[in-house]
Amino acid sequence: QITLKESGPTLVKPTQTLTLTCTFSGFSLSTSGVGVGWIRQPPGKALEWLALIYWDDDKRYSPSLKSRLTITKDTSKNQVVLTMTNMDPVDTATYYCAQNSGSYRLDYWGQGTLVTVSS
Amino acid sequence: QSALTQPASVSGSPGQSITISCTGTSSDVGGYNYVSWYQQHPGKAPKLMIYEVSNRPSGVPDRFSGSKSGNTASLTISGLQAEDEADYYCSSYTSSSTGVFGGGTKLTVL
Repeated sequence: QITLKESGPTLVKPTQTLTLTCTFSGFSLSTSGVGVGWIRQPPGKALEWLALIYWDDDKRYSPSLKSRLTITKDTSKNQVVLTMTNMDPVDTATYYCAQNSGSYRLDYWGQGTLVTVSS
Repeated sequence: QSALTQPASVSGSPGQSITISCTGTSSDVGGYNYVSWYQQHPGKAPKLMIYEVSNRPSGVPDRFSGSKSGNTASLTISGLQAEDEADYYCSSYTSSSTGVFGGGTKLTVL
């Protein structure tokens, strides 16, 4: 059974750095072809693709957010961490992590975590 | 890259069929057979319904089908049921080696 769960602060101040952790079980990020991605969804709005990290540490970032994002993995802990710098109120959203098992599809999703950016 | 273009809303009666379109460019939808569709009920995480244009994950009813022609992908739901009422998002691999989502379509079952 594959599960993923996001964790991190629910409230951050403008200009701060957000750090989110995705803790997963039921698969290994050392398995060839497997990846974990991050997606966000502002309240009432569409999904936005953020970043993806593969089993071989290959990393992909949204071109529009690349300068602000860093994705890393800790295979031994079954965790993927996303950091986003210089947070702004427009970054208020539910942040999801999801497993990618190939062809850029996101097979399993976490429940999401709502992050609010406000002073 | 720009989000893929989907109609804001579609509707249909139980038992009918509906189709949701997803239009991109030759740099995403038209260039790769890596189009996925996701269903999202209110307050829930998205669920993968179609991958690689037309493949269904295990457990997804065969009422759901996908196709692609040129730069436009489509999701068809036949035999509409009340529980199909949800938001639907398409997604594609892009020439930037990243992913991109559509703007989402709200399906209403009348």
